[in-house]
Amino acid sequence: AQSVSQHNHHVILSEAASLELGCNYSYGGTVNLFWYVQYPGQHLQLLLKYFSGDPLVKGIKGFEAEFIKSKFSFNLRKPSVQWSDTAEYFCAVNYNYGQNFVFGPGTRLSVLP
Amino acid sequence: NAGVTQTPKFRVLKTGQSMTLLCAQDMNHEYMYWYRQDPGMGLRLIHYSVGEGTTAKGEVPDGYNVSRLKKQNFLLGLESAAPSQTSVYFCASRRSTNEKLFFGSGTQLSVL
Repeated sequence: AQSVSQHNHHVILSEAASLELGCNYSYGGTVNLFWYVQYPGQHLQLLLKYFSGDPLVKGIKGFEAEFIKSKFSFNLRKPSVQWSDTAEYFCAVNYNYGQNFVFGPGTRLSVLP
Repeated sequence: NAGVTQTPKFRVLKTGQSMTLLCAQDMNHEYMYWYRQDPGMGLRLIHYSVGEGTTAKGEVPDGYNVSRLKKQNFLLGLESAAPSQTSVYFCASRRSTNEKLFFGSGTQLSVL
């Protein structure tokens, strides 16, 4: 079965610390990869996406992610987090241009001021 | 441009009651989806639609029905609510299979 795992359930960082959130997905053919963010009380918003080409993709708010095909991974990074980055982060995979997006369980990020 | 709008935002039901959640999008998207979000489980697909008049089952369809009579609207129904359906429900849409999902703001449903 297609599945997405996220390494951390809850990450706590101080402002200016670097961030890396892990995401691994199961093999299933062609993949389109996404990171969504959900700020407290809000709906999910797209941070960045990978369809093809350069495996290092840049998104909004200084986030970037690297697609490593051999490791089935799509880790999210940010060099210096801010308090406003406090949110829940979801990795999602769309397999073979199908209808379902398989979401990971989410990682809650708390940034301490 | 409102995007994806869900109503209601909050609802409390008693076991056995029925209700309908409404999702409306004004982006002329073909594809619409209903997800439920539960702690530690991410989002799981309930039902989806690839166009007006079509619906299909997703990962967790039991206990839910949907209808897409108009392209812009996608309704999710609970005929006989159960406590296991307590969740946050998100509607999403997209223009094609090669594009991102746009999400609504969610409906928090509690079934007592």
